[in-house]
Amino acid sequence: EVQLVESGGGLVQPGGSLRLSCAASGFTFSTYAMHWVRQAPGKGLEYVSAISSSGGSTYYANSVKGRFTISRDNSKNTLYLQMGSLRAEDVAVYYCARKSPIFGVADIWGQGTMVTVSS
Amino acid sequence: EIVLTQSPATLSLSPGERATLSCRASQSVSSYLAWYQQKPGQAPRLLIYDASNRATGIPARFSGSGSGTDFTLTISSLEAEDFAVYYCQQRSNWPWTFGQGTKVEIK
Repeated sequence: EVQLVESGGGLVQPGGSLRLSCAASGFTFSTYAMHWVRQAPGKGLEYVSAISSSGGSTYYANSVKGRFTISRDNSKNTLYLQMGSLRAEDVAVYYCARKSPIFGVADIWGQGTMVTVSS
Repeated sequence: EIVLTQSPATLSLSPGERATLSCRASQSVSSYLAWYQQKPGQAPRLLIYDASNRATGIPARFSGSGSGTDFTLTISSLEAEDFAVYYCQQRSNWPWTFGQGTKVEIK
């Protein structure tokens, strides 16, 4: 079964850091670009970051550029999002998603992990 | 950044009725427009890619149309499981962006 499982969310103080992980299974992880998308409580969806299959190309939303870093370890079938200088506006469910080379967009999503920023 | 504006914000319909959802882009996205369905507590589900192509396993009652800046998602006859929030999303330019969503609710 194709699956993505996020972990690492939790409560962090403003200005703090957190690393999210996304474990992939059921497909050849190293051949797929991957994305992080977030959703603030009761709000819509926002693309956060993307990374190519090799990890050689990365993309960030302006709202997180310079604070978040996307990376991947293809030997461990795992995607990461290192988040720093966290703010109240970063509170959201963070989803990892697989980009389909056929559809050109995210076709498989994880269940999400909640990040809360509060003192 | 390309802004996607969805209308209406809420659509109140009965099962069996036809639903027509609109998505307008602030600049041309060619046909690089997708539609997702999201139910409470769940991740989004891909319905339509490249404006008019159904993703794997998506029922034929879902169809998409449009190009450039104006797009439509049509659900020909609403079933109970179709009441949800629908988002359009463009992949023409990074950052990829979503519309704010249209909620299809039971009338």
